[in-house]
Amino acid sequence: QVQLQESGPGLVKPSETLSLTCSVSGGSVNSGSYHWSWIRQPPGKGLEWIGYIYYSGSTNYNPSLKSRVTISVDTSKNQFSLKLSSVTAADTAVYYCARVPLYGGLDYWGQGTLVTVSS
Amino acid sequence: EIVLTQSPATLSLSPGERATLSCRASQSVSNYLAWYQQKPGQAPRLLIYDASYRATGIPARFSGSASGTDFTLTISSLEPEDFAIYYCQQRSNWPFTFGPGTKVDIK
Repeated sequence: QVQLQESGPGLVKPSETLSLTCSVSGGSVNSGSYHWSWIRQPPGKGLEWIGYIYYSGSTNYNPSLKSRVTISVDTSKNQFSLKLSSVTAADTAVYYCARVPLYGGLDYWGQGTLVTVSS
Repeated sequence: EIVLTQSPATLSLSPGERATLSCRASQSVSNYLAWYQQKPGQAPRLLIYDASYRATGIPARFSGSASGTDFTLTISSLEPEDFAIYYCQQRSNWPFTFGPGTKVDIK
């Protein structure tokens, strides 16, 4: 059974960088059959796809966040990570990591982690 | 960016009733549309992908269909655990986008 688990600080100060890691078990980020994604959901609101990474390191970022986002993969640790720079209160959200088959939908999700941007 | 519009925003039904949820895309997404169920405090769960294929372990009461840019999720007979928010999502064009959701609540 594939499991994903987000980890990282729950509180980030404005203008600083949000950093989260997703640890994958029961599957490999080194698989060519999947993309590995970050999605976020502000409290009480809808879902926004931040971006995804392939095992090779190729990435795709949402244009609305592209200038501030970096997603990376560490195949040796079976993890992938998100960095979002220059955060503001508008970046307060539950951040999810998820697996995306090349053909299909987001089939496995982490439980989500709430990140609050506040001084 | 492809915009997905879901209707209605809220659907109030009783257990055992049929639920019909709609999702309209602002342009063609072929059949690259998925449906998710989200309950409070939980991550979304994949129900349907590529418009009409049930994900692993999803009960047969959930079905999806498509007609052009209009997509429908049908729950044939609502069970108590089906009361939740449902999102559609397209993977035809980047950025992949989600609809705003339809809340199915108990009448």
